[in-house]
Amino acid sequence: GAGVSQSPRYKVAKRGQDVALRCDPISGHVSLFWYQQALGQGPEFLTYFQNEAQLDKSGLPSDRFFAERPEGSVSTLKIQRTQQEDSAVYLCASKAVFSGANVLTFGAGSRLTVL
Amino acid sequence: DAKTTQPPSMDCAEGRAANLPCNHSTISGNEYVYWYRQIHSQGPQYIIHGLKNNETNEMASLIITEDRKSSTLILPHATLRDTAVYYCIGEEYGNKLVFGAGTILRVKS
Repeated sequence: GAGVSQSPRYKVAKRGQDVALRCDPISGHVSLFWYQQALGQGPEFLTYFQNEAQLDKSGLPSDRFFAERPEGSVSTLKIQRTQQEDSAVYLCASKAVFSGANVLTFGAGSRLTVL
Repeated sequence: DAKTTQPPSMDCAEGRAANLPCNHSTISGNEYVYWYRQIHSQGPQYIIHGLKNNETNEMASLIITEDRKSSTLILPHATLRDTAVYYCIGEEYGNKLVFGAGTILRVKS
């Protein structure tokens, strides 16, 4: 597609529910990134993939967070047993090649609200 | 660790140049400096990046000091649509971009 597509754009979950957030990167983009953005803050790195390989997951805040990209294109960020502190905008970004400058194309984000 | 420091907010008159400063005194010799911006309810948008030399593209100019400890993003003729949060970003080893709090730029008519 022309840009990075994320769904759902808005998600309301009750505390304790599991949620899954989807990212469709730009077709052919090798690298895919997930960021978390709390209200009024800058985005914070969560994890990134090169094709289907998850090369860095150091930013995932707990073992309740899990990301996958099984076929090297679409990625899913899953949050188990959601907590109120998980409320944030989750941003996905992709990059054409693994190496080189970090010129990322971001999606509009998925806003998660945990009640 | 490529930490950056930016003023929390700035105002600019429409049609005038907006000059956004950034300090990045801890940046290493081979780390790029990136600028992104985020308009309300959208994801961040890439603007420009540089290593040592000044850079210009269709969106902006980037002036990097010779010692690489600071840089300035210049929007030559700011419009109301340029109102956004502007992030000056360093990169950590392994492709991670480290965003700070950014500068809220308000362009006023």
